[in-house]
Amino acid sequence: SYDLTQPPSVSVSPGQTASITCSGDKLGDKYASWYQQKPGQSPVLVIYQDNKRPSGIPERFSGSNSGNTATLTISGTQAIDEADYYCQAWDSSAVVFGGGTKLTVL
Amino acid sequence: EVQLVQSGPEVRKPGESLKISCKHSGYSFTNYWIGWVRQMPGKGLEWMGIIYPGDSDTRYSPSFQGQVTISADKSITTAYLQWSRLEASDTAIYYCASPRDSSDWHFDYWGQGTLVTVSS
Repeated sequence: SYDLTQPPSVSVSPGQTASITCSGDKLGDKYASWYQQKPGQSPVLVIYQDNKRPSGIPERFSGSNSGNTATLTISGTQAIDEADYYCQAWDSSAVVFGGGTKLTVL
Repeated sequence: EVQLVQSGPEVRKPGESLKISCKHSGYSFTNYWIGWVRQMPGKGLEWMGIIYPGDSDTRYSPSFQGQVTISADKSITTAYLQWSRLEASDTAIYYCASPRDSSDWHFDYWGQGTLVTVSS
């Protein structure tokens, strides 16, 4: 089975840039997506097809994907960005989520 | 805009059966894949499977194949997730989710989640 690996936690100071990585074998050959989930809420898509932002997602969210690693970057991180973030890819009729990263803004 | 509205919380005993639902509205139900995602207490997202209501094409994660059944009723634009024999380990929040693009499985739309509690 295909696995995606994320760091369990990332910390960032307000106003700084947060980077969350997602690693998988030849992940760059697939499309990567990212979801934000706050406590008690459903996940929200923040990046799809590696680097596209859905309508309504702030420009401070960006993504990249190359080689074995996809990266979600949050520029000028705000307190409201504190949440769990999950990467996701799909291949051969199967969807895979990463284990999730808890982003702490302190 | 697509909206997904899920059925309410359920409490069952081990060994009982259960079917939860996801009502789709907005655009053509038959042209959108609908997937199911499990989130166990305090844990991450796990993809369970996905169905294309247009022709009932259904794909399952190997981890859930044979453990659950995914189905859809086009006449009432509703997708279902069912268990024939629940276990305590099935306690979780279950989300339905749908991609906007039928050729790319990222999930633009999410239901509000259904909490399933299995306890004796």
